Amino acid sequence: AQSVSQHNHHVILSEAASLELGCNYSYGGTVNLFWYVQYPGQHLQLLLKYFSGDPLVKGIKGFEAEFIKSKFSFNLRKPSVQWSDTAEYFCAVNEDGNQFYFGTGTSLTVIP
Amino acid sequence: GAGVSQSPRYKVTKRGQDVALRCDPISGHVSLYWYRQALGQGPEFLTYFNYEAQQDKSGLPNDRFSAERPEGSISTLTIQRTEQRDSAMYRCASSLGALVSEQFFGPGTRLTVL
Repeated sequence: AQSVSQHNHHVILSEAASLELGCNYSYGGTVNLFWYVQYPGQHLQLLLKYFSGDPLVKGIKGFEAEFIKSKFSFNLRKPSVQWSDTAEYFCAVNEDGNQFYFGTGTSLTVIP
Repeated sequence: GAGVSQSPRYKVTKRGQDVALRCDPISGHVSLYWYRQALGQGPEFLTYFNYEAQQDKSGLPNDRFSAERPEGSISTLTIQRTEQRDSAMYRCASSLGALVSEQFFGPGTRLTVL
């Protein structure tokens, strides 16, 4: 079975700081990778996804993620965070056509 | 509808009672997924359907949990003889294709078992 690790459980940043959230997975085969975000009081929404091709993926709201196959990683980045980025962030992995595995989430708090 | 809907949004029940949680996916979406999310954790896979066929139910914790999607649209997750440890947020998601594609999540049902 797949496992997904998000090592940062809670991150606190000031506005304009840069963000990097770690995500590592265990499966060595072909995977599809996702980052979801859950804003306070809202449901999970897709930030970005990687299926194949360019390992640097651009998502909504200025987020990007880089797939590094040799490191089994798919870290999420944003050069300059805003207060409105305060949310819970989940990394998810899918092995083609099968179930999704989610990480435990990282809570991001951005201080104005 | 415009998105995935779930009902009820909140359910409080007494231990030993049965509960049925409903998910109405986005119209035309082939795949439907059920997840359970405990506080401070990520969504944990329970089961999923392609059309009306249950493809994988390996995540259902025990035989008190069952799910169906008889007409390939609305799905019901049933928990029999509820226990306090069943308290969690139950999330449903749907996706367009039978192969992997973006999942769209519903608002979830918060289940509390007293």
